[in-house]
Amino acid sequence: SQQGEEDPQALSIQEGENATMNCSYKTSINNLQWYRQNSGRGLVHLILIRSNEREKHSGRLRVTLDTSKKSSSLLITASRAADTASYFCVNAGKSTFGDGTTLTVKP
Amino acid sequence: GAGVSQSPRYKVAKRGQDVALRCDPISGHVSLFWYQQALGQGPEFLTYFQNEAQLDKSGLPSDRFFAERPEGSVSTLKIQRTQQEDSAVYLCASSRNRGLMNTEAFFGQGTRLTVV
Repeated sequence: SQQGEEDPQALSIQEGENATMNCSYKTSINNLQWYRQNSGRGLVHLILIRSNEREKHSGRLRVTLDTSKKSSSLLITASRAADTASYFCVNAGKSTFGDGTTLTVKP
Repeated sequence: GAGVSQSPRYKVAKRGQDVALRCDPISGHVSLFWYQQALGQGPEFLTYFQNEAQLDKSGLPSDRFFAERPEGSVSTLKIQRTQQEDSAVYLCASSRNRGLMNTEAFFGQGTRLTVV
């Protein structure tokens, strides 16, 4: 069973809108990573946020981390159809994945 | 090679048959991970190697599952006496350093195992 829980399980938005997905863990979080998985490119690393960081940006991605709440969020701004994929958080200290959020971006 | 390579890409096994799945990590990568992914779910951790040492095998679901990385590069995941519940995609990943604390994992395309 997974240690991480993503919320929502599924999200459908229009191209150009922002998408926010959340991840929470029952165990403590050290560093945390986000990955994207689609049928074309498999699982790909997006961003790593360290336990002493609260927020990190990479292009259209913004990640926050709250270690006291054992949670993280991923914001994708100005979404594109190519962002359609499943998104997973990974508790880096335990190498465990959450259940994922399936994002669909409609053109 | 340029990335993590897994073979075969697809495997159909009859129930009770033994299978061996191969992973070629990125050259020089210290860490190697195996995950099992059922349809519609996130990858489930199976086992972790640091070079040739299997440091964590807590995720292996039963003693029918066995993994090795004898020379610290190529790894093989073996499943004995396959059962239908073993049907899944098996993903291999490697990372440059120890674990995932400060380094990203690079994933292969996976081996889709179907047990009939």
